[in-house]
Amino acid sequence: DAKTTQPPSMDCAEGRAANLPCNHSTISGNEYVYWYRQIHSQGPQYIIHGLKNNETNEMASLIITEDRKSSTLILPHATLRDTAVYYCIVRVRDNYGQNFVFGPGTRLSVLP
Amino acid sequence: NAGVTQTPKFQVLKTGQSMTLQCAQDMNHEYMSWYRQDPGMGLRLIHYSVGAGITDQGEVPNGYNVSRSTTEDFPLRLLSAAPSQTSVYFCASRRRGYTDTQYFGPGTRLTVL
Repeated sequence: DAKTTQPPSMDCAEGRAANLPCNHSTISGNEYVYWYRQIHSQGPQYIIHGLKNNETNEMASLIITEDRKSSTLILPHATLRDTAVYYCIVRVRDNYGQNFVFGPGTRLSVLP
Repeated sequence: NAGVTQTPKFQVLKTGQSMTLQCAQDMNHEYMSWYRQDPGMGLRLIHYSVGAGITDQGEVPNGYNVSRSTTEDFPLRLLSAAPSQTSVYFCASRRRGYTDTQYFGPGTRLTVL
């Protein structure tokens, strides 16, 4: 799996968009980008994933650069409940036995 | 569905004691795994299973045993607890080859004195 690099922490004002960057310069052509988050000490929660195209769901948007070496998770209207640690992970999709490797992530603080 | 459940939520052990952390899922997921999370760090994989009767080691397997006799259950056993095993333990499950969403349990906070 390609290694990812994320800033250790970020702040965002409540109601504004939160843009969380992730670098994955060694990503391979068949590796997907996944985002999870962990609120306080709860189990991680799946947010979104993508390969090449930008993706959007009810939680967030994922923007992947054309060269796929970096991506940005966007929370369009951050709330206090979005305060969490956000993990960017790259892995081969549905590979038998393939696991998610969690790094230290980005601690996002949404401020009132 | 209850999703992924873990028991107990909290546990304190003395060095050398043994115990089993329980994990169960009711989503008929083939794939289950155990992670540990130490303060300020990401999750590290301990053991995983791709189906009943099949288990394999992850990144940090030493000191832990697992078995998978049913699809639903995946217990983690500590044979002789050590202070280095003080951590929060998460169990997770997902379908194999169907969805990329991995569901996590609420965690077990273990302290070894």
